[in-house]
Amino acid sequence: AQRVTQPEKLLSVFKGAPVELKCNYSYSGSPELFWYVQYSRQRLQLLLRHISRESIKGFTADLNKGETSFHLKKPFAQEEDSAMYYCALANQAGTALIFGKGTTLSVSS
Amino acid sequence: DAGVIQSPRHEVTEMGQEVTLRCKPISGHDYLFWYRQTMMRGLELLIYFNNNVPIDDSGMPEDRFSAKMPNASFSTLKIQPSEPRDSAVYFCASSSSGARIYGYTFGSGTRLTVV
Repeated sequence: AQRVTQPEKLLSVFKGAPVELKCNYSYSGSPELFWYVQYSRQRLQLLLRHISRESIKGFTADLNKGETSFHLKKPFAQEEDSAMYYCALANQAGTALIFGKGTTLSVSS
Repeated sequence: DAGVIQSPRHEVTEMGQEVTLRCKPISGHDYLFWYRQTMMRGLELLIYFNNNVPIDDSGMPEDRFSAKMPNASFSTLKIQPSEPRDSAVYFCASSSSGARIYGYTFGSGTRLTVV
């Protein structure tokens, strides 16, 4: 079964501290994974996708097939990073996204 | 383009009443998705359409929920009768065949409260 697990509902860090938002997945085959972000009172928007291997707003995520993980990392958190973060996995047909339960990141000064 | 448009933004209704949520996808997008967001369950895929045809409705929680897409520019999600546990934010998203999962655009959501 396809499944995305985000074990932390809330992650609180201080400004300047490193951040790691955990995501584990269950999937048969080669997964396509994404991170979406939802700032307060705004729409969900794409943060990054694993095939691009890009860094957006200082965030990176590496696909680890051995650990079936796609953790989101940032070396130095900023207050504007406070938001809800969702990890998402493409379904087998590649036509829809399956989301995890989300992790709220709170960055305080 | 105004993006994916959902209405209403907020809906408060009494238990047992019928609720209809509306979505207008981005013009040219042929995939449309309905998601439900709750604290407990996160973002759940309820149903999605391709070229106005329902492709997968396995996420629809009960027969009280139904969704239609009568044309390429409009979709509805109906709950009848509504119950307090249906209270959630309902999101619509659309994408195109070319972009598929890479081109998801979400609407602002409808916050439903059933009292």
